[in-house]
Amino acid sequence: DIVMTQSPGSLAVSLGERATINCESSQSLLYSSNNKNYLAWYQQKPGQPPKLLIYWASTRESGVPDRFSGSGSGTDFALTITSLQAEDVAVYYCQQYYSTPPTFGQGTKVEV
Amino acid sequence: QVQLQESGPGLVKPLETLSLTCTVSGGSITSGNYYWTWIRQSAGRGLEWIGRIYTSGSPTYNPSFKRRVTISLDTSNNRFSLKLTSVTAADAALYFCARAGGVLSWFDPWGQGALVTVSS
Repeated sequence: DIVMTQSPGSLAVSLGERATINCESSQSLLYSSNNKNYLAWYQQKPGQPPKLLIYWASTRESGVPDRFSGSGSGTDFALTITSLQAEDVAVYYCQQYYSTPPTFGQGTKVEV
Repeated sequence: QVQLQESGPGLVKPLETLSLTCTVSGGSITSGNYYWTWIRQSAGRGLEWIGRIYTSGSPTYNPSFKRRVTISLDTSNNRFSLKLTSVTAADAALYFCARAGGVLSWFDPWGQGALVTVSS
């Protein structure tokens, strides 16, 4: 199975500041045939299921604010929240879908 | 807009079978090339993919569950189900159903989750 490792485990950011979450995979998630990275990001708030934010490593899901952006390729990825808002307090997960079984990072808690 | 909702017993005895159902609304479970999926979340193991079933009824399971898991489709009631046999305390978790757009895909949408406790 592909192991997904997120860092840091938790992050405290002031409102309006930038938050960056890192995700490293144990093998490349870049599919050479289509040049796509098979990585998604989710946001989970207490008492709610994970919500899809980004797929293909950098494509924002419809309705997701543009302060959320994904970057990276191969084995190293990042989720950046520019100008953190109070409603962004949550746990964020990366997930690889390059191979079965799909696997998730352990989560990064973002606090104000 | 497709919505998913889990249902089933919240308490299962050790060594018995956990049974959950995911009811799909807002769309047919047989339309589109979707994979209907079960994922669980626990403090100790994080988010863990259990398995999926295609609209044709062909399931794929996470090998880590060995032969304990069965996912099936109930097209007449627009729902799919999870059975996990011989449960232990390690199977206590929040169980989510979700939809995937392909074999290699992200998950969206998700159900709200069903909390399962394992205790005698």
